[in-house]
Amino acid sequence: DIQMTQSPSSLSASVGDRVTITCRASQSISRYLNWYQQKPGKAPKSLIFAASSLQSGVPSRFSGSGSGTDFTLTISSLQPEDYATYYCQQSYNTPITFGPGTKVDVK
Amino acid sequence: EVQLVESGGGLIQPGGSLRLSCAASGFTVSSDYMSWVRQAPGKGLEWVSLIYRSGDTYYADSVKGRFTISRDKSKNTLFLQMNSLRAEDTAVYYCTKNGDTWRANDYWGQGTLVTVSS
Repeated sequence: DIQMTQSPSSLSASVGDRVTITCRASQSISRYLNWYQQKPGKAPKSLIFAASSLQSGVPSRFSGSGSGTDFTLTISSLQPEDYATYYCQQSYNTPITFGPGTKVDVK
Repeated sequence: EVQLVESGGGLIQPGGSLRLSCAASGFTVSSDYMSWVRQAPGKGLEWVSLIYRSGDTYYADSVKGRFTISRDKSKNTLFLQMNSLRAEDTAVYYCTKNGDTWRANDYWGQGTLVTVSS
């Protein structure tokens, strides 16, 4: 199974801050890396697929990069509605696996 | 507009069975790749099962042999039959529609809570 790790597990940031979350796969997954945002009590929302492709309707302040084993999600200027938990996921093969999540909260 | 609405969750005793449904609209379930993902209380996301357009199915080791994913074209509905339920199956279960190429979970339902407890 492909193991996914994320760092940090949590971070505190202020509105306007640039936020970077890292995701690492235990083996190469090409660009089969997806990012999700989840707010408390809500279903996850797809943000980015194929490492760097923005889902329709997702603000351009979100961006993704990487390939192989190392990936990054960046929020260029954090907005109040971005406080949430972010998960990476590999869809390269089954079992599909998620990272443990990164919680972004108020500094 | 794609919509996914799950139902069928509830409180069930260990060893019992439950069938979750996911009513889809805005697309045809038999023409798309779909998945179930669950989230135990206070925990992260866990992939459970997927069904390809071809009908091929895959399962997480933790549910293999106990859960079955299926779909009904006439009802445009995805199902998850869950047997031999355990306390560790307690979670919110989400139905998702996945993209064909990169297999991301593009659309999510609101989730249905399954509680396995005596």
